[in-house]
Amino acid sequence: DVKVTQSSRYLVKRTGEKVFLECVQDMDHENMFWYRQDPGLGLRLIYFSYDVKMKEKGDIPEGYSVSREKKERFSLILESASTNQTSMYLCASSLVNPDTQYFGPGTRLTVL
Amino acid sequence: AQRVTQPEKLLSVFKGAPVELKCNYSYSGSPELFWYVQYSRQRLQLLLRHISRESIKGFTADLNKGETSFHLKKPFAQEEDSAMYYCALKVGSARQLTFGSGTQLTVLP
Repeated sequence: DVKVTQSSRYLVKRTGEKVFLECVQDMDHENMFWYRQDPGLGLRLIYFSYDVKMKEKGDIPEGYSVSREKKERFSLILESASTNQTSMYLCASSLVNPDTQYFGPGTRLTVL
Repeated sequence: AQRVTQPEKLLSVFKGAPVELKCNYSYSGSPELFWYVQYSRQRLQLLLRHISRESIKGFTADLNKGETSFHLKKPFAQEEDSAMYYCALKVGSARQLTFGSGTQLTVLP
């Protein structure tokens, strides 16, 4: 079974703080993804990575950065958290073909 | 740019009734379409893909290129079908999917 784990289920941060969300997968997948899930807006891609040290912007990269130093780990960084970044963050991984993505449990981030 | 539209945010049906979750896409080439599902307190997961032409948990979806649609259908809804459903699109050799805004399906007893 593919396992995608995220470092926290719930996180509360203050405006201006630097926030790290970590995602680890154990199936040697090439692709990893970070999404935001918001009611009415669905799933929006923030960034994805198809290889170590490689990254590509998704639909809403502003205010975020990512890091992939090892194949199994993909980090999402909020350099200076803002209240409009309060959301559910989902990490996913897949083989080269992105058809079947395996999702983590999500991190619900609240920025006060 | 490609786009996926799910016009219904919420959909309620009674148990045993037919259900159809609508999905329309905008893309001029040959798309690949998928349905993902998230049950309460569970992870988002792939339900089915158009290329497989399979029925999963009684659900089917047919790609209609003329209408640019990929509606998800089930003839007799069950309470356990209550979930959030997302339609997703892959274009060409892209390494990512484009998801719609989702439809929350509630099957009433």
